[in-house]
Amino acid sequence: AQSVTQLDSQVPVFEEAPVELRCNYSSSVSVYLFWYVQYPNQGLQLLLKYLSGSTLVESINGFEAEFNKSQTSFHLRKPSVHISDTAEYFCAVQENRDDKIIFGKGTRLHILP
Amino acid sequence: EAQVTQNPRYLITVTGKKLTVTCSQNMNHEYMSWYRQDPGLGLRQIYYSMNVEVTDKGDVPEGYKVSRKEKRNFPLILESPSPNQTSLYFCASSLTVGGANVLTFGAGSRLTVL
Repeated sequence: AQSVTQLDSQVPVFEEAPVELRCNYSSSVSVYLFWYVQYPNQGLQLLLKYLSGSTLVESINGFEAEFNKSQTSFHLRKPSVHISDTAEYFCAVQENRDDKIIFGKGTRLHILP
Repeated sequence: EAQVTQNPRYLITVTGKKLTVTCSQNMNHEYMSWYRQDPGLGLRQIYYSMNVEVTDKGDVPEGYKVSRKEKRNFPLILESPSPNQTSLYFCASSLTVGGANVLTFGAGSRLTVL
């Protein structure tokens, strides 16, 4: 059965520093991968997704994630964070034979001034 | 504007008093789902629906009911709420892109059961 592990529940990082939020999944079949972001007191929004093709996917606000099949990972990175990136980030996986989406437990990103 | 609308956004109720949280989407999505979010546990799926009159249990369905009589609406019903159902609830609908379900979430409904 599929599962998603976000290794860090909280990540503090200084403003303008780089950040990596880790996500690993387990599945025996091909998957679709997602990162969702939840800003304070809001619902979740799609940040980026990997469906097929290029393993590196980017968002419009500078985040990127790379699908690594051999390591079953989909880590989220940003080279320079801003205070507005303060949010909780959720990794999610869907097996391509199923409609069920499994979410990780989330990583709370704290931006330090 | 394309959106998922949940009501109420905030609710305080007492144990055993039936309540319904409504969810409506205006995007003609076939797939709809309910999640609850609890600290340290992330999002857990309660129920989902692939289309009208088709519903199925998620990971934590106990104590909840749903119905899908129309494509746009997917209400969540708590027949006899208990304090362990105090949580933040999200409704979501999905556009299928190449087989992948890309979710659009509502703003959330914070429920407190005393």
